[in-house]
Amino acid sequence: EIVLTQSPATLSLSPGKRATLSCRASQSISSSQLGWYQQKPGQAPRLLIYDASSRATGVPDRFSGSGSGTDFTLTINRLEPEDFAVYYCQQYRRSPHTFGGGTKVEIK
Amino acid sequence: EVRLVESGGDLAQPGRSLRLSCAASGFTFDDYAMHWVRQIPGKGLEWVSSISWNSDSIGYADSVKGRFTISRDNAKNSVYLQMNSLRAEDTAFYYCAKNLQKQVLYAAFDCWGQGTLVTVSS
Repeated sequence: EIVLTQSPATLSLSPGKRATLSCRASQSISSSQLGWYQQKPGQAPRLLIYDASSRATGVPDRFSGSGSGTDFTLTINRLEPEDFAVYYCQQYRRSPHTFGGGTKVEIK
Repeated sequence: EVRLVESGGDLAQPGRSLRLSCAASGFTFDDYAMHWVRQIPGKGLEWVSSISWNSDSIGYADSVKGRFTISRDNAKNSVYLQMNSLRAEDTAFYYCAKNLQKQVLYAAFDCWGQGTLVTVSS
């Protein structure tokens, strides 16, 4: 099983700042089969990034993904009020399709 | 518009069974793998099960293997999760999700239902 470790657990930032979220895999995820999801309270997760760096339909360009192998990053430039949420990474390289434990981006 | 609507969540006693359903619309259902993901309230996401577009490939998390069965009916645009021998630790919101890419099993999940709550308690 590929274990995904997200850091930090909580990120406290002000609107307008840049958020950098990390996702580290216990083994290499070849073909960059990693996605990022946003979840707000009371809502289902929403796909933001797939294949490590491709934005899903309708996702603003302030969201970007990067990385390969075992280290991946989600960057949110110029945080908007609606970006404060929990973010999860997920690998779909092999079964089980594991998720990271999440990073909460909160308003400072 | 792609839409997934789960149903079947309920309060069940330990050891009992429940069947969750997910009705899909707005896309060619039989082209896409489908998935179930669960979330204990206030906690993280846990992948539960996946089924390929033609039901040839199926996978389960170790935590549910042997107790849960995923299936789909492409004529009814629906995917199901039969949950047997329920345990307290199965208490969670259960989401169904659609695969991003056609006719592959391993891809991101690009559309999610609103979830249905399963509570296992005596």
